[in-house]
Amino acid sequence: AQSVSQHNHHVILSEAASLELGCNYSYGGTVNLFWYVQYPGQHLQLLLKYFSGDPLVKGIKGFEAEFIKSKFSFNLRKPSVQWSDTAEYFCAVKYSSASKIIFGSGTRLSIRP
Amino acid sequence: GAVVSQHPSWVICKSGTSVKIECRSLDFQATTMFWYRQFPKQSLMLMATSNEGSKATYEQGVEKDKFLINHASLTLSTLTVTSAHPEDSSFYICSAKGASLPGELFFGEGSRLTVL
Repeated sequence: AQSVSQHNHHVILSEAASLELGCNYSYGGTVNLFWYVQYPGQHLQLLLKYFSGDPLVKGIKGFEAEFIKSKFSFNLRKPSVQWSDTAEYFCAVKYSSASKIIFGSGTRLSIRP
Repeated sequence: GAVVSQHPSWVICKSGTSVKIECRSLDFQATTMFWYRQFPKQSLMLMATSNEGSKATYEQGVEKDKFLINHASLTLSTLTVTSAHPEDSSFYICSAKGASLPGELFFGEGSRLTVL
């Protein structure tokens, strides 16, 4: 079945620490991959997306993600987090054979000031 | 970027009543709109997909007679929760995509429904 999983449910880091959030999807052919962020009290916003080309994708606010096809992964990274990065992060995948986007369960990121 | 707006953002109703939530794309034509439900501390669960001018496609387990979806125009989709019960209390989120921005979804602010 087409699915996406996020292994970290809650991550707590100190400011300036490096971040990596895991995301894996099940095999299902060609995919488009997304990372969305939901800040407290706000709606979902797109951080970055991968459609094709360079597997290292740079997004807003210093975030990047790397698509590793052999591992079915699309991990999100940031070299130095800030307190304002406190939010819920969702990985999502769209298979070319389907019209819908499937979301992972989300990872809550808490940053200690 | 493209803007999607939901209304109301917050609604409280009595059990047995119906509630309508609107989702509008403000600056683009949304060929497809999606309705999600989000439970506390959980991910978004897709309820249904609607294309303008046609019947919505519901996900397995979602009652189409309870969650009525109408996508009458390229800028408006509505979700009506009929005969609401306390277990329908949730955060409902719509998203939309347009032909000019393939593959990308734009999300509304969400509507929090509380059924007493």
